[in-house]
Amino acid sequence: AQKITQTQPGMFVQEKEAVTLDCTYDTSDPSYGLFWYKQPSSGEMIFLIYQGSYDQQNATEGRYSLNFQKARKSANLVISASQLGDSAMYFCAMREAGYGGATNKLIFGTGTLLAVQP
Amino acid sequence: DVKVTQSSRYLVKRTGEKVFLECVQDMDHENMFWYRQDPGLGLRLIYFSYDVKMKEKGDIPEGYSVSREKKERFSLILESASTNQTSMYLCASSSPGGLAKNIQYFGAGTRLSVL
Repeated sequence: AQKITQTQPGMFVQEKEAVTLDCTYDTSDPSYGLFWYKQPSSGEMIFLIYQGSYDQQNATEGRYSLNFQKARKSANLVISASQLGDSAMYFCAMREAGYGGATNKLIFGTGTLLAVQP
Repeated sequence: DVKVTQSSRYLVKRTGEKVFLECVQDMDHENMFWYRQDPGLGLRLIYFSYDVKMKEKGDIPEGYSVSREKKERFSLILESASTNQTSMYLCASSSPGGLAKNIQYFGAGTRLSVL
């Protein structure tokens, strides 16, 4: 069965340092998409970055990059130069072409709470 | 700017009440979703809709129903609220999936307390 695992319930990082949030996934479908979302204390889920299973290069969006290791089924989020505003809950999610299909359903991990310290 | 609006940020209801959670999107998206978020469990899909008047059950539909009479609006209904439905509810919308990126855009969420 398809599954997303985030093993870090919470993490601390010093301001201006880089941090890696772990995400592993399980799927038998060769075609899938991986997403990271940020949820500040206000509650809204904010899309950060996307990686398709056939993408040759790791995705990057500003200070966010996705360390995609297909053989290991991992899709870790790297945040460079952490800022106080990065303190939030981070969710990894997966869409399988077979499972989600045209409906675009996502499966979410349990999230990692990141606290950036000054 | 894309926008998904949930009608209430906070709701307090009594056990047994009928509760309506409303969601409106302005992106002309075909797909709309209702999730429930609980600590340690992440987001779980309650129902989704891929077209007007079309709906499918998600992973935890028991105790909920939905309505989609117009493309931009998707309502979640708790027919008889119970205390175990106290949770954060998130609405999202997207274009159809497949292999494309098709981001799900979320509303700010509704914190529902059932007393």
